[in-house]
Amino acid sequence: GAVVSQHPSWVICKSGTSVKIECRSLDFQATTMFWYRQFPKQSLMLMATSNEGSKATYEQGVEKDKFLINHASLTLSTLTVTSAHPEDSSFYICSARVDRGYNEQFFGPGTRLTVL
Amino acid sequence: GQNIDQPTEMTATEGAIVQINCTYQTSGFNGLFWYQQHAGEAPTFLSYNVLDGLEEKGRFSSFLSRSKGYSYLLLKELQMKDSASYLCAVLDSNYQLIWGAGTKLIIKP
Repeated sequence: GAVVSQHPSWVICKSGTSVKIECRSLDFQATTMFWYRQFPKQSLMLMATSNEGSKATYEQGVEKDKFLINHASLTLSTLTVTSAHPEDSSFYICSARVDRGYNEQFFGPGTRLTVL
Repeated sequence: GQNIDQPTEMTATEGAIVQINCTYQTSGFNGLFWYQQHAGEAPTFLSYNVLDGLEEKGRFSSFLSRSKGYSYLLLKELQMKDSASYLCAVLDSNYQLIWGAGTKLIIKP
């Protein structure tokens, strides 16, 4: 149980285009999902907390107009990187929190974004 | 501020034992997690401690001392596949995960 999927696994796009990444909790409902970014050889960096039915909470320094987050249902959150640039190339990982027990986060497999 | 410290890199020999330490200073405490992350992959859950003491799970054990703000992950009978980064994370009073920078563990034959 507690499986999280992410789509796509990898994407290559041209500078200036927008890219949407989906995060789904497959066998449980998640009122809270998290979006992380990880650059090579660095730790996870929390970008935003996505709450079902309300606006996302962004971490300091993360542009909310550039990284659009929509938590449309209890099993789906999407991250849209708008007008992507080469510096946005990174590994994006989502996680979903189980709202019981010790609030463990289950991670999706990640999406590698390369912007040319 | 909130802070989690763990060594950047450690090296150990196949078949040996290694202990990865983690110290934390956070606003509140609702548990400490250890995750394993192989290069290019997402983190996977290893352990959770909320009470003081040692939790053993196969070759991996995790220890917590809340009074000292300290935890360690103990890996026994090391295998080459254990080469990965190990991330320490604390759940603070707002149930937000505060992440350490990770410890890269290199296993040598």
